Amino acid sequence: ELKVEQNPLFLSMQEGKNYTIYCNYSTTSDRLYWYRQDPGKSLESLFVLLSNGAVKQEGRLMASLDTKARLSTLHITAAVHDLSATYFCAVDPGTYKYIFGTGTRLKVLA
Amino acid sequence: EPEVTQTPSHQVTQMGQEVILRCVPISNHLYFYWYRQILGQKVEFLVSFYNNEISEKSEIFDDQFSVERPDGSNFTLKIRSTKLEDSAMYFCASSPLATNTGELFFGEGSRLTVL
Repeated sequence: ELKVEQNPLFLSMQEGKNYTIYCNYSTTSDRLYWYRQDPGKSLESLFVLLSNGAVKQEGRLMASLDTKARLSTLHITAAVHDLSATYFCAVDPGTYKYIFGTGTRLKVLA
Repeated sequence: EPEVTQTPSHQVTQMGQEVILRCVPISNHLYFYWYRQILGQKVEFLVSFYNNEISEKSEIFDDQFSVERPDGSNFTLKIRSTKLEDSAMYFCASSPLATNTGELFFGEGSRLTVL
């Protein structure tokens, strides 16, 4: 059964700092997604990564996918308070059963 | 911009009662999903639905659960006899053709509280 793990689970960082969230998964997949969730809200799509080596950037966030290592990263550059949220990766193993990671709760301190 | 809509936003029910959660997926999407999230925890897959039948379901999706697309626009999740542990946020999602990006678009969720 597909397992998707993220680390860290909790991340508290100062504004202006850089950090990376890791998403590891246990089975072959070429499709990986990153979502953001604010407290009490729905899941907002951030990035869609569809092949090995894919890299996407939006503002201070950059996501990449290494399908051989079964690893995706979400890199935060010069964090700001507005990035405080929970970030989830999700993997599509091609069976209409997207599995979400454990989530990383990010808190950016002013 | 098209969006997935869910009703009700919050439902409180007594243990043992039946609950129906409703979703209207984005109109040209073909794949539909239900996920649930117990407060502050991970997002758990329940079921996927395509071409009027279940494609995949998880261990959570036992005989107490059922899904239906009764009229070509609504997509419903029924819980026949609710338990305390069914209390969670239930998210509906839809996706266009598999040959597309496969990105899931989520509704705002229905919070179910079982007393």
